[in-house]
Amino acid sequence: DGGITQSPKYLFRKEGQNVTLSCEQNLNHDAMYWYRQDPGQGLRLIYYSQIVNDFQKGDIAEGYSVSREKKESFPLTVTSAQKNPTAFYLCASSIVGQGRQPQHFGDGTRLSIL
Amino acid sequence: GESVGLHLPTLSVQEGDNSIINCAYSNSASDYFIWYKQESGKGPQFIIDIRSNMDKRQGQRVTVLLNKTVKHLSLQIAATQPGDSAVYFCAEIGAGGSYIPTFGRGTSLIVHP
Repeated sequence: DGGITQSPKYLFRKEGQNVTLSCEQNLNHDAMYWYRQDPGQGLRLIYYSQIVNDFQKGDIAEGYSVSREKKESFPLTVTSAQKNPTAFYLCASSIVGQGRQPQHFGDGTRLSIL
Repeated sequence: GESVGLHLPTLSVQEGDNSIINCAYSNSASDYFIWYKQESGKGPQFIIDIRSNMDKRQGQRVTVLLNKTVKHLSLQIAATQPGDSAVYFCAEIGAGGSYIPTFGRGTSLIVHP
């Protein structure tokens, strides 16, 4: 079955540590996205990428970094510069260039501070 | 784990009732709208979408209504079941070249057996 796989499901970060969240899709979608979800709030866009080797900052990119070396993969690194990283992180993908299309989401990674 | 429904508007219904979840969108230029369902600890799941040239679209047990005059979107769920309990939120995408959606905060639906 095609879909988006995020790992790990739960992640703990120590002070001063960088952690990387994995996102892989086999839907052959061009675009991929990272969102942060906090309780009672809408999804906030961190980074997105429309094509391989290219990505753009979203609304809350500070303290995060991404790479897009392969179409299928869009890992997110939460750096030590992100002072409030505790949240639920969601990866999504979508078709681009065929009119408006919905995003498809993975099942998220919950990041907590030790 | 921590619920994404914390502090959200809540709609409580009895099993078998019809549910109506509302969403006020912000951009009068938006031309594509999506409803998602999110269960606790999982990612959002696509339910149904509608384009601005329509005012109603039906799926299996769900209907989306779009009122562009007042920038209002609603999701109707017929014969609500306990498995429908989740957070529901809408998303809008503006006209033109944009493909990045803006997401609403969501409504928590609780279905009592």
